[in-house]
Amino acid sequence: DVKVTQSSRYLVKRTGEKVFLECVQDMDHENMFWYRQDPGLGLRLIYFSYDVKMKEKGDIPEGYSVSREKKERFSLILESASTNQTSMYLCASSPRLAGGPGETQYFGPGTRLLVL
Amino acid sequence: GDSVTQMEGPVTLSEEAFLTINCTYTATGYPSLFWYVQYPGEGLQLLLKATKADDKGSNKGFEATYRKETTSFHLEKGSVQVSDSAVYFCALSKGRFGAGTRLTVKP
Repeated sequence: DVKVTQSSRYLVKRTGEKVFLECVQDMDHENMFWYRQDPGLGLRLIYFSYDVKMKEKGDIPEGYSVSREKKERFSLILESASTNQTSMYLCASSPRLAGGPGETQYFGPGTRLLVL
Repeated sequence: GDSVTQMEGPVTLSEEAFLTINCTYTATGYPSLFWYVQYPGEGLQLLLKATKADDKGSNKGFEATYRKETTSFHLEKGSVQVSDSAVYFCALSKGRFGAGTRLTVKP
């Protein structure tokens, strides 16, 4: 079974802190994604990566950056946390098909971040 | 850009009732379509998918048909159970998700 793990289930940080969220997958997937999940808004894509050292902005990249130095690991960085970044953060991975990124995504359990 | 519009809930049904959750999409090209489910306290997991027009995805009694002419992918189940209580998300490929529909099934 595909396994996607996230470094923390719950985090509490203070405004202005630099925050690192880590995600690791064990299925050699090319694609990895970071989302935030908020009530009434569903999942919104922050960034995705389709290969090591490659990244593309999603719908809401402002205030976030990412790093993918190894294929299995995709990190989300909040450079200076703000209260409006309090949310549930979900990581996902998927294999890349020859025809494009249309394959099933496998999700981690999520990290619930509270910024005070 | 690509987007998904999903019937918002919450939806409350009695056990054995018929379920429909509407989903329509806007997309360029021919995206794959997905339904994901999030059970209480768990992560999202794939429920079913369809990769081309007129395909029907099915799993655990749930079905959805990829309708290109109406740009829809409605989720249906003929007889829901208490264990189906969850949040359901319609999605396109490329990371486009609907807002989610919370379903509660009462005994």
